[in-house]
Amino acid sequence: DTAVSQTPKYLVTQMGNDKSIKCEQNLGHDTMYWYKQDSKKFLKIMFSYNNKELIINETVPNRFSPKSPDKAHLNLHINSLELGDSAVYFCASSQERLAGITTDTQYFGPGTRLTVL
Amino acid sequence: RKEVEQDPGPFNVPEGATVAFNCTYSNSASQSFFWYRQDCRKEPKLLMSVYSSGNEDGRFTAQLNRASQYISLLIRDSKLSDSATYLCVVSSGGSYIPTFGRGTSLIVHP
Repeated sequence: DTAVSQTPKYLVTQMGNDKSIKCEQNLGHDTMYWYKQDSKKFLKIMFSYNNKELIINETVPNRFSPKSPDKAHLNLHINSLELGDSAVYFCASSQERLAGITTDTQYFGPGTRLTVL
Repeated sequence: RKEVEQDPGPFNVPEGATVAFNCTYSNSASQSFFWYRQDCRKEPKLLMSVYSSGNEDGRFTAQLNRASQYISLLIRDSKLSDSATYLCVVSSGGSYIPTFGRGTSLIVHP
């Protein structure tokens, strides 16, 4: 009964390939996120969706495309992988945004460790 | 100046010690503040939210100083299991973009 799950947990691939990471939450939350944590341990937000609608899109190369088929899922597709994409990618979810602000806890998935060779 | 700054440490303390971390933020319009804990090779988990009046949860106390734009985390009677990285998170109103600090590493030794 994992709250936020991600697959795969590890992903090793060659430069230039296209790959996807899947995320699912069973908490009934309306908002989901993708974060990237690099080797220096900085955790940086990439995207956020609220009820399948994109609400945050930080400065991320357009090789990264999020897709939310429903509010329980937020997948991340990466085209033409580069060495610098190697990182741990975390999915997270939180309660519905209220009045434009949410102060609710974010629940993180276990992370996907991506290594690009 | 980075938006959210933390001393990366590591803070090396003996069991039973009291240790405090600070986190400074640059956006005076910031409205929500949190401390998360991240164990090695694990996901971040909420430790506590930080309220204007300050709040305490067992051995942990969080404070917010809006005038000086920092939040703090105090851990009393440190346990070996407190060893982790502590992440400060700040967000502004409007579109709520949570900004994480790079974390402060705590090592509690016997």
